[in-house]
Amino acid sequence: AQSVSQHNHHVILSEAASLELGCNYSYGGTVNLFWYVQYPGQHLQLLLKYFSGDPLVKGIKGFEAEFIKSKFSFNLRKPSVQWSDTAEYFCAVRPIFSNDYKLSFGAGTTVTVRA
Amino acid sequence: NAGVTQTPKFRILKIGQSMTLQCTQDMNHNYMYWYRQDPGMGLKLIYYSVGAGITDKGEVPNGYNVSRSTTEDFPLRLELAAPSQTSVYFCASSYIRDTGGLGNTEAFFGQGTRLTVV
Repeated sequence: AQSVSQHNHHVILSEAASLELGCNYSYGGTVNLFWYVQYPGQHLQLLLKYFSGDPLVKGIKGFEAEFIKSKFSFNLRKPSVQWSDTAEYFCAVRPIFSNDYKLSFGAGTTVTVRA
Repeated sequence: NAGVTQTPKFRILKIGQSMTLQCTQDMNHNYMYWYRQDPGMGLKLIYYSVGAGITDKGEVPNGYNVSRSTTEDFPLRLELAAPSQTSVYFCASSYIRDTGGLGNTEAFFGQGTRLTVV
């Protein structure tokens, strides 16, 4: 079964700082990869996804992520954060071309952006 | 365009009571999932379904049951509520083609149900 590891539990930044959140997964086959964001008191919303093709994917609100297959990583980045980026961020992985389409999540990273 | 709808949004249960969390989606998705979210633990998969009539256990199925009689609905039942089931519950759905990645969608989430067992 696959698993997802997020490196940071809590990140505190100032506005305009750059953000990078680490995500590694363990699964030997082909996967779909996702980053979701959860604003306080809300449900999960998709930031971006990787299915195939260009390993550098761009999502909403200026976020991007790079899939590095050799490192089993899918790190999330944003060059300049805003106060409104304060939220919890989840990395998720789903195997494909298999009989197991379970979607597994990491423990999440809480990002606090100080004005 | 409703997406994934969960009811209720909030509920307080007494120990030993039972209840059903409702989830319905209008996107004709084949896959549906139930997760629970606890602080610092991320989302843990309780049960999932690959289509009507088919369900399977996730990571934390104990104390829960599900059914999938239609494509749209995927209710989660708690038979004997325990304090350890205090959590936020999310239902999600996605479309996945058995033949591989093309046409797959991401998971769409409902608004969540905050359950407290006292």
